Amino acid sequence: GQNIDQPTEMTATEGAIVQINCTYQTSGFNGLFWYQQHAGEAPTFLSYNVLDGLEEKGRFSSFLSRSKGYSYLLLKELQMKDSASYLCAVRDLSRNSGAGSYQLTFGKGTKLSVIP
Amino acid sequence: DADVTQTPRNRITKTGKRIMLECSQTKGHDRMYWYRQDPGLGLRLIYYSFDVKDINKGEISDGYSVSRQAQAKFSLSLESAIPNQTALYFCATSDAGTASNYGYTFGSGTRLTVV
Repeated sequence: GQNIDQPTEMTATEGAIVQINCTYQTSGFNGLFWYQQHAGEAPTFLSYNVLDGLEEKGRFSSFLSRSKGYSYLLLKELQMKDSASYLCAVRDLSRNSGAGSYQLTFGKGTKLSVIP
Repeated sequence: DADVTQTPRNRITKTGKRIMLECSQTKGHDRMYWYRQDPGLGLRLIYYSFDVKDINKGEISDGYSVSRQAQAKFSLSLESAIPNQTALYFCATSDAGTASNYGYTFGSGTRLTVV
């Protein structure tokens, strides 16, 4: 099965840097995604990692270590609008629908509060 | 127009009533999903469909049913609504296989309250 862990809540100061960690256990890893979700709204895609290393996209970066089952999302120069939940999701081969199904399983999300 | 449209956006219904949530997409994706989201529990998969003839149960399908009327339409029904089905419901779509580097595209959600 799969187990995805991330902290429930974090608080950080405007202008600072924050790192949100995600650990996972899966048998057929095929990629890790980070989504941002503002309260009451749909999750929106932030980043995708399938190989080890760092992917940078503006103020946001995401890191993956497949051997450690570990990823983090790094947010720099925090802004008040970054207050949201951040969801870690793992894509893997589905046990139920055979090879090629590649479903996503989501962590419970990390609620980030940015304070002045 | 949104790529994935859910209707209604908000709904209040009474216990025991049948209710349908609808989802339509213009992405041309084969795969469609229904999730519910509850505080502290994250997104949980209810049902998913990989094409019009394919319907699969997710981790919490009891009390729900679905219909894939066309490639672009996937509706979720609560046959007899109960209060613990009060939640935020999301429809999502994706490409088949690993070609997509964007994972899922989500609809705006339906906030359902069962009283």
